[in-house]
Amino acid sequence: EDQVTQSPEALRLQEGESSSLNCSYTVSGLRGLFWYRQDPGKGPEFLFTLYSAGEEKEKERLKATLTKKESFLHITAPKPEDSATYLCAVQTVGAGGTSYGKLTFGQGTILTVHP
Amino acid sequence: GAVVSQHPSWVICKSGTSVKIECRSLDFQATTMFWYRQFPKQSLMLMATSNEGSKATYEQGVEKDKFLINHASLTLSTLTVTSAHPEDSSFYICSARRDDHAPLHFGNGTRLTVT
Repeated sequence: EDQVTQSPEALRLQEGESSSLNCSYTVSGLRGLFWYRQDPGKGPEFLFTLYSAGEEKEKERLKATLTKKESFLHITAPKPEDSATYLCAVQTVGAGGTSYGKLTFGQGTILTVHP
Repeated sequence: GAVVSQHPSWVICKSGTSVKIECRSLDFQATTMFWYRQFPKQSLMLMATSNEGSKATYEQGVEKDKFLINHASLTLSTLTVTSAHPEDSSFYICSARRDDHAPLHFGNGTRLTVT
């Protein structure tokens, strides 16, 4: 069974204090790893897709990296507007090598950035 | 970018009544859409995969007669919660992808409260 575990559950940072969020996964065949941001009462907003170990993606203050067992979301000099829940999800290869688009989500990390 | 619209954003209904939620892909055609459910401070749980022109595929433990899904066109999927009860109160989110290589994009969710 595919499993995705995110840590920490909650993270409080001061504005400008860089840190990293972790996403560990156990899957039978990784098709892609996705990072989303979710604000309260809203649907998840797509951030990154990573496909293979060693891959990195960047967007403004965020940088996502991927190994064979985990992914990190690095936040550099965060601002209060970066406060949100960050979700990690994996898409796996289905039977016969197909991909159905089904995502398995982690529990999320609630990030709070104080001014 | 891809946009998924969900309506209504919130609904309050009485126990025993049915509620319909719409999910539209605004700028692309989606042969497959996904319906998720999210409880407070928990992650997204896939309920079912909606397939255009065919029956939906439900995840284990999800009652197909209670959560009716109709994917009438390439841009519209609906979820009907039939004979709703207070335990059905939750945040329902739909998602869609342009093609198998594209990331899932989510609607803004529907907050259902059954009184």
